[in-house]
Amino acid sequence: GAGVSQTPSNKVTEKGKYVELRCDPISGHTALYWYRQSLGQGPEFLIYFQGTGAADDSGLPNDRFFAVRPEGSVSTLKIQRTERGDSAVYLCASSLTRSGYNEQFFGPGTRLTVL
Amino acid sequence: RKEVEQDPGPFNVPEGATVAFNCTYSNSASQSFFWYRQDCRKEPKLLMSVYSSGNEDGRFTAQLNRASQYISLLIRDSKLSDSATYLCVVNPTGNNRKLIWGLGTSLAVNP
Repeated sequence: GAGVSQTPSNKVTEKGKYVELRCDPISGHTALYWYRQSLGQGPEFLIYFQGTGAADDSGLPNDRFFAVRPEGSVSTLKIQRTERGDSAVYLCASSLTRSGYNEQFFGPGTRLTVL
Repeated sequence: RKEVEQDPGPFNVPEGATVAFNCTYSNSASQSFFWYRQDCRKEPKLLMSVYSSGNEDGRFTAQLNRASQYISLLIRDSKLSDSATYLCVVNPTGNNRKLIWGLGTSLAVNP
């Protein structure tokens, strides 16, 4: 079946602009996660959704970052007033909540470059 | 101490070699553990979940030592295609499903 998809695959923007990154999880997966990854680092947790609600947003770095999942499927990560330090690969993952082992499956990521 | 620590490598081994990676975690109450593989400029892919007494999948064996708080991954008969970064991942206890990721260990298998 289809895996996690993310769009766009690459996004180049200017400092101060607003961007939206989209994630379409595996069908039937109720849990959805956003991470970001910089070169040479492991994924850094941003936010986790269970259904439509954000169950844990403790990883969002500041209030310029916001994410929604209005219908419990597709999610959008929104970044306002982008800064050069926001440049990274933004990864989305989904999992079957009932899986006791919480195995997460990742999308290909969106590479964000802020000039 | 970092929550999840791995030797970053790189490990350079010839084809056919056996190589082992270790990972230590700080939260003794952690319950579930994973190894992910990540190729250059690609997303992480689940390689193995690590069960309580360890498990094997073909050439790959994962072990968990709760007393010492470490997880290992053993790759036997390594192939060129095994070249990648291997990420150790820990799920702390509780309903929160936030995973804690190591920085990864880089493996290069040479012909």
